[in-house]
Amino acid sequence: NAGVMQNPRHLVRRRGQEARLRCSPMKGHSHVYWYRQLPEEGLKFMVYLQKENIIDESGMPKERFSAEFPKEGPSILRIQQVVRGDSAAYFCASSSGTSGYEQYFGPGTRLTVT
Amino acid sequence: GQQVMQIPQYQHVQEGEDFTTYCNSSTTLSNIQWYKQRPGGHPVFLIQLVKSGEVKKQKRLTFQFGEAKKNSSLHITATQTTDVGTYFCAGMRGSARQLTFGSGTQLTVLP
Repeated sequence: NAGVMQNPRHLVRRRGQEARLRCSPMKGHSHVYWYRQLPEEGLKFMVYLQKENIIDESGMPKERFSAEFPKEGPSILRIQQVVRGDSAAYFCASSSGTSGYEQYFGPGTRLTVT
Repeated sequence: GQQVMQIPQYQHVQEGEDFTTYCNSSTTLSNIQWYKQRPGGHPVFLIQLVKSGEVKKQKRLTFQFGEAKKNSSLHITATQTTDVGTYFCAGMRGSARQLTFGSGTQLTVLP
């Protein structure tokens, strides 16, 4: 059962380092979404991508954050020069784009910045 | 921007009691989705509502979408310990695909 896959599941970075989070969508899905969840809070939309295109990045911080979904390979969320406030769970979701709008979430990457 | 308010934030019930969580959007939604997240887990899709006034049932769970497509509720009948978790509503507006999540209702079921 090839659901949404994310890796790593846990990532520890020191302040100033870079974090790379990967997401492979569910088989047959071409739409990928990234969300961030702070402890005890709901999920906040960051970015929506299709293959080789950023469709909506209105929730993405303007600096240090970037995302891509190349023609081949997983979607990548990249955080440069991490700060303690970046510590959160980052979830990726995917949808088919052809039938329904439901999004299926991966297990998430828990990022801890020390 | 669009906001989705969800109440209550926390709910403790005795096993067998009913539970309801409510969502209100500041804007009309094209659809609303409900998710369940267990502690340490990820959101799991439960259902999507699209039509005004729509009601859907999944065993002990009943989902409603308001006539104005701005509010929604999830009702669980006769809760069980397996219902423990945080329930989120998430709304979509217009043709945009992004979900705006409510803050969630954390359900505790006491045996």
